Amino acid sequence: AQSVTQLDSQVPVFEEAPVELRCNYSSSVSVYLFWYVQYPNQGLQLLLKYLSGSTLVESINGFEAEFNKSQTSFHLRKPSVHISDTAEYFCAVSASGGATNKLIFGTGTLLAVQP
Amino acid sequence: GAVVSQHPSWVICKSGTSVKIECRSLDFQATTMFWYRQFPKQSLMLMATSNEGSKATYEQGVEKDKFLINHASLTLSTLTVTSAHPEDSSFYICSAFLLAGLNIQYFGAGTRLSVL
Repeated sequence: AQSVTQLDSQVPVFEEAPVELRCNYSSSVSVYLFWYVQYPNQGLQLLLKYLSGSTLVESINGFEAEFNKSQTSFHLRKPSVHISDTAEYFCAVSASGGATNKLIFGTGTLLAVQP
Repeated sequence: GAVVSQHPSWVICKSGTSVKIECRSLDFQATTMFWYRQFPKQSLMLMATSNEGSKATYEQGVEKDKFLINHASLTLSTLTVTSAHPEDSSFYICSAFLLAGLNIQYFGAGTRLSVL
């Protein structure tokens, strides 16, 4: 079974400052890793994913995450945040090659960008 | 591409009535869809996996007679909350698994259910 830990329930940050949202996972098998973003009263949008290959993955809006197998982490970073980045961010894991492709979510981190 | 439509977005109902929520994949066929429940300020909890043409697989602790799932076509899955009670009030979200898209789930916008 897999599990995901997001230690920070809320991360306040000023606009244009850098930010890191932490995600650690545990699994006895190889995994796929995802970051989803949820705006208020909306569903989840895929932000970025790691399936294989390069351990550094990037999104179109400036976020990036790095898969670190030895530390079992997949932290999300952005060098300069905007007010519009304020949202809930969920890290998720699924077993690679699994038959059911279930996603296991972390408890989420609220990124609160202040002017 | 890969758009998932969920309807309705918000529903209010009286206790004891049933509510049906639809989840449609608009531009792809989804043999597998997932239903999640999200409580305020909490993460998503998987309720069940919906497979086209077969019975849904429910997670432990989810009452299958309470939450009826039908996946009658490759583009539509429905969740019916039967005899709803106030404790069923929650945010319900569906997702569709895009087989050809490298193991990625695409999510609907969610349905907020309020049972009075």
